[in-house]
Amino acid sequence: EIVLTQSPGTLSLSPGERATLSCRASQSVSSFNLAWYQHKPGQAPRLLIYDTYTRATGIPDRFSGSGSGTDFTLTISRLEPEDFAVFYCQQYGSSPYTFGRGTKLEI
Amino acid sequence: QVQLVESGGGLVRPGGSLTLSCAGSGLTFSDYYMTWFRQAPGKGLEWVSYISSSSYYTNYADSVKGRFTISRDNTNNSLFLHMNSLRAEDTAVYYCARDRYRPPSYFDFWGQGVLVTVSS
Repeated sequence: EIVLTQSPGTLSLSPGERATLSCRASQSVSSFNLAWYQHKPGQAPRLLIYDTYTRATGIPDRFSGSGSGTDFTLTISRLEPEDFAVFYCQQYGSSPYTFGRGTKLEI
Repeated sequence: QVQLVESGGGLVRPGGSLTLSCAGSGLTFSDYYMTWFRQAPGKGLEWVSYISSSSYYTNYADSVKGRFTISRDNTNNSLFLHMNSLRAEDTAVYYCARDRYRPPSYFDFWGQGVLVTVSS
C-alpha cells in the first residue's frame, strides 16, 4: 500500500501568515488522485482539495494544492483564525486508500 | 445540505458485536457509493470498507475482513457496519462518508463520527 508521510507534524503560525504543508508518497500517486481534508475536534472532516489541485465547493481561494508523482503540497496563503486544525492528505489512486498521519496547524 | 449522522457506538467486550448506522439526508442516497473510515486514539485515519450504490460491490480492509460486514438500506437512506469478533485494536471513532464518484474517488461529505470502545 502507498504510505503517505506528512510534514511537519505540527506547524505553529499566526493569523495572516502563509502555511505550507507537505505530503510525500512512498510511490507515485496515479492520476493526481490526492485529496486534502481539514479536521477539527468533534467535527466531520471537511474536503478541501481533490485531484491534487481542485478546490471543493465553498472552499476559499486562500487554499491551494499542488504537486505530482510523490510530492504534494497544500498551501494556505493567508491564515484566518478558523483555519487552525489538523490537515490530512489522502490518496485514492490505489487500493487500499491511505491517509497521512496529519499536520496539526496551531496558533 | 448533505448530512451524515452516525449512531450505535459504545462500549463492547472483546469478542462482542456491534452495529453502526449512518443516516443520510439532503442527498439521493441510492446514487452514491458509501464508505466507512475509522481513527484509533492517537492514530491516523484508516479506510475500513465501501459499498456500491446498489450493494452489489463491497470491499474491506484486511484488518476487518471476515469480521465486519457493510450493508445499506436505500429506502431509508441508511448505511450500516456490522462488527463481529471485536478486538481492542478496533477501538476508534468510526466515520461514514460519501464517495463523490465510483472508485477511485475522494470523499466529499463525512459524518461527525461515533466512538467504539472495545474493552473488558
